[in-house]
Formats: sequence, C-alpha cells, structure tokens
Amino acid sequence: GAVVSQHPSRVICKSGTSVKIECRSLDFQATTMFWYRQFPKKSLMLMATSNEGSKATYEQGVEKDKFLINHASLTLSTLTVTSAHPEDSSFYICSASRGSLNTEAFFGQGTRLTVV
Amino acid sequence: SQQGEEDPQALSIQEGENATMNCSYKTSINNLQWYRQNSGRGLVHLILIRSNEREKHSGRLRVTLDTSKKSSSLLITASRAADTASYFCATDQGGYQKVTFGTGTKLQVIP
Repeated sequence: GAVVSQHPSRVICKSGTSVKIECRSLDFQATTMFWYRQFPKKSLMLMATSNEGSKATYEQGVEKDKFLINHASLTLSTLTVTSAHPEDSSFYICSASRGSLNTEAFFGQGTRLTVV
Repeated sequence: SQQGEEDPQALSIQEGENATMNCSYKTSINNLQWYRQNSGRGLVHLILIRSNEREKHSGRLRVTLDTSKKSSSLLITASRAADTASYFCATDQGGYQKVTFGTGTKLQVIP
C-alpha cells in the first residue's frame, strides 16, 4: 500500500514556542491531506483539510491562526502549532489519499507533541 | 460532531475467542473503513467495505455493512494477544477520503 510519512514522531517543546510537523506522501501525489488530533483515550478529531496550492479548510472550533497548515507541494503538507501551550499537547496524525472515491486513506504514524 | 458511535467502548476476552465490535453512523456513506491503533501509535488500515457491499473478509477479519441500519460490525475470529488494540470505524461522505472516526472500541485479549 501507499506510504505516508510523518515527522517527527515525538517532540517536546517549551510553552510559547512553535512546532512544525511534516506529512509526506512517499509514493503518490496527494492533492489533499487531512490533519487529525487525538486526545488521550479518545477518538480522532478532524482538524483541517489541507489543499495543495490553496488555503486549508478548518473544522469548526479549530483556530486557523493557532494551527497553520501549508500544503506547498503534492507530496508535503505541514502543520505548525504556533505559540504552543500545554493544552496543545496531543497526538497529531495526518492522512492522504490518491483522491478517488473508493480508495483507502493512508495515515502517517502520528506525532506525539508534549508542551512543557 | 463525530459521525460514528462504537459499541462496546471496551471489550475483554480470552485468547482464542471471537471479538465483535459494532459501529453506527448517521449519514449516507461511500465506504466504511476499519482501523486498528496500538497504544500511542499510528493507525493501521484493516479493511474497507464499499456502500454496495454487505460483507467482506480478510484473514481472521469479517466486516459486515448494513446501510439500511447505518451500521457495521467487525468480527475478529480466534483472537490473539497481539490483537489487543483500539479499533475505530471511519466513514467518508464522498470525495478525497475525508473520513470521520467513530469513538472506538478498546479490545483486550488475555493470553
């Protein structure tokens, strides 16, 4: 199956700093990628849809100035958590697909962010 | 709000037994997928069933889909300790695989 690589897998940062998470589709082009957030022992909540070459579409309640998304190429989307606070600590995971309706979405391995 | 609700939230069984998890969703879908997540790890895709399919098998996995009831079930036969994980259903409403996850079932298989 297709491979989606997410980096870093774990990051610890200080409050007030910004953290960038990368999501790459390694063997296919992804015009659209998705970013999810998972709180401990909870399900995954969709944060935003990342569109190559255009602005991301954010879900209700997600602060776009807080979670900056850039989809600069067909194989790379980045999520930057700006001015991170301890409440931003979470598991972030991206997904991508080839775009056709009845194909699976491929997920990255996730990033565990801890803000201290 | 989330699309799917899963039942049970937690399930504990003995190795060798079968495990059944159920997922209900609210709106029409193109397909439904099941994923596994080991603690603190990423998602592993298990199986995709299309809206025009009723049953699908993959190894020890059997998935059913009832679009009239907006529900799906995942059966793991002859469970193993390595099957211990959280299982999520995910549905899409069309286009670009924007999936919405269910609440998940935490499965524990006791050796």
